Amino acid sequence: GQNIDQPTEMTATEGAIVQINCTYQTSGFNGLFWYQQHAGEAPTFLSYNVLDGLEEKGRFSSFLSRSKGYSYLLLKELQMKDSASYLCAVRGRSRANQAGTALIFGKGTTLSVSS
Amino acid sequence: SAVISQKPSRDICQRGTSLTIQCQVDSQVTMMFWYRQQPGQSLTLIATANQGSEATYESGFVIDKFPISRPNLTFSTLTVSNMSPEDSSIYLCSARTGVDTEAFFGQGTRLTVV
Repeated sequence: GQNIDQPTEMTATEGAIVQINCTYQTSGFNGLFWYQQHAGEAPTFLSYNVLDGLEEKGRFSSFLSRSKGYSYLLLKELQMKDSASYLCAVRGRSRANQAGTALIFGKGTTLSVSS
Repeated sequence: SAVISQKPSRDICQRGTSLTIQCQVDSQVTMMFWYRQQPGQSLTLIATANQGSEATYESGFVIDKFPISRPNLTFSTLTVSNMSPEDSSIYLCSARTGVDTEAFFGQGTRLTVV
């Protein structure tokens, strides 16, 4: 089965740095994704990690440790528009998808950025 | 990348009726999926839509309640059958173009059952 944990809510101020953690247990791990979702909108892709280490993309970075079943998303120079839900998702085998092609999502972290 | 068009974008339906949601992708994709997102919650995978064969459903979802079709590589439908207020949710279509690519999402169908 799949188990993905991330904090429910976080708050931060503009210009700050925030780290959103995600721990997972899954069979057949084949990559971890981070998505951003603003209220009322579809999720949008932020980052993908399949190997251990840090992936950097502008203000956003994501880290993966496969041995620890752990990832984090780092957001720098926070802006008000970064207020959103951040979803950690893993690609792994599920009951109905033994090929592991689907993404299984955690419950999401709601980030509130204040001025 | 892939652009996904999903319709209807929203609907209000009477209990006991059925609604079919359509999902069209602008490019040929190998994998399509359907998710449900209940208010204030994250995404729950309903099923994998397989082209030319039956969809495969996750625990808690059955074909009689959520029949899915995928007649070709770019189109899929999800029907929510015999609806009850508990089915009120956002239903999202998703597609992937390769095993090491991200998933793209449609804008979702916001369903309210009264």
